[in-house]
Amino acid sequence: AQKVTQAQTEISVVEKEDVTLDCVYETRDTTYYLFWYKQPPSGELVFLIRRNSFDEQNEISGRYSWNFQKSTSSFNFTITASQVVDSAVYFCALTAVTGGGNKLTFGTGTQLKVEL
Amino acid sequence: GAVVSQHPSRVICKSGTSVKIECRSLDFQATTMFWYRQFPKKSLMLMATSNEGSKATYEQGVEKDKFLINHASLTLSTLTVTSAHPEDSSFYICSPQANEKLFFGSGTQLSVL
Repeated sequence: AQKVTQAQTEISVVEKEDVTLDCVYETRDTTYYLFWYKQPPSGELVFLIRRNSFDEQNEISGRYSWNFQKSTSSFNFTITASQVVDSAVYFCALTAVTGGGNKLTFGTGTQLKVEL
Repeated sequence: GAVVSQHPSRVICKSGTSVKIECRSLDFQATTMFWYRQFPKKSLMLMATSNEGSKATYEQGVEKDKFLINHASLTLSTLTVTSAHPEDSSFYICSPQANEKLFFGSGTQLSVL
């Protein structure tokens, strides 16, 4: 069975602070994908990143960066110089790479509030 | 990017009525469709998986007779909540897949009175 744990239910920061959202996962599959999604109050899911289990290289995209540590089964997400527009719920998700479709197992989400 | 159209975005209905939610992939063909539901301030939980022309596979605890899924074509899937009750009030999201790429609809907020 797969499991994704986002221990931080809610985080509040002041604008321009850096913030890291934690994600720990469990899977027996050797090949899998990890994702991060942003869900603003409007509800739609915004894709942020997909990471293959064989690619442990960290990634940076603008103010966003991701740290994939296979040894600790973690895939943490850092927002640098946070902005009010970053306020949203962020979900980490996992899927095995199978022929049956990539159904996602989501974490419980982290509510990020960025205040002025 | 791929466009997914999910309608309606919001629906309010009386208890006992049925509600149909449509999910269309506008510029690609979805070989597989996933349907998720999300309770307020909760995570997304997979309800069912369907492939075009086949019966849907439901996750444990999801009533197949209550949540009817039709995936008649590669660009359209529907979820019908039959005889809806207040406990069915939730946010429903479709997720079409094409070539190992996942997309999401904008979601449907269902409120059953």
